[in-house]
Amino acid sequence: GAGVSQTPSNKVTEKGKYVELRCDPISGHTALYWYRQSLGQGPEFLIYFQGTGAADDSGLPNDRFFAVRPEGSVSTLKIQRTERGDSAVYLCASSLMWGKESGYTFGSGTRLTVV
Amino acid sequence: AQSVTQLDSHVSVSEGTPVLLRCNYSSSYSPSLFWYVQHPNKGLQLLLKYTSAATLVKGINGFEAEFKKSETSFHLTKPSAHMSDAAEYFCVVSDYGGSQGNLIFGKGTKLSVKP
Repeated sequence: GAGVSQTPSNKVTEKGKYVELRCDPISGHTALYWYRQSLGQGPEFLIYFQGTGAADDSGLPNDRFFAVRPEGSVSTLKIQRTERGDSAVYLCASSLMWGKESGYTFGSGTRLTVV
Repeated sequence: AQSVTQLDSHVSVSEGTPVLLRCNYSSSYSPSLFWYVQHPNKGLQLLLKYTSAATLVKGINGFEAEFKKSETSFHLTKPSAHMSDAAEYFCVVSDYGGSQGNLIFGKGTKLSVKP
């Protein structure tokens, strides 16, 4: 597609529930990134994929968070047993490749609210 | 470790006056530096990037930034503010020479433009 698409744009869920957030990157972009932006803060890195594999998942806060990219295109961020502290905007970005000269394109984000 | 500090959380200017948003960085390697803008309920948009070419970088919408290694700064400027410039601005560092291929965001500076 023309840009990075994230669905849903808004998600309200109850504490303890499971949620999935989807990211559809720009076609042909091999690198895909997930960030989390809490209120009043800058985005914080969660995980990035080079192709199908998670090249760096050091930003995932705990084992309730997991992300996959099975075919090297669409990625899903999965959050189990959601907590109120998980409420944030989850941003996805993609780039042609990992590296110094590549530009990142961000999606509009999914606003997750845990009540 | 890489980090970025945005020195002002909020900057207010009058339309037609200059804009200065300050950013200092810390990086173990030769950094790539970026400025992103985020309008309300919109995705992050790249304004400009520095990747070890010219130290004065020109971006979109009349913005520019100068990389000063001696001062570890990458301040964003614009000669004349427009109402449409009101948004949140993020200074970002990426250290591709390190083990993490991710962007590290500052906390953001909210720019207000008064008529």
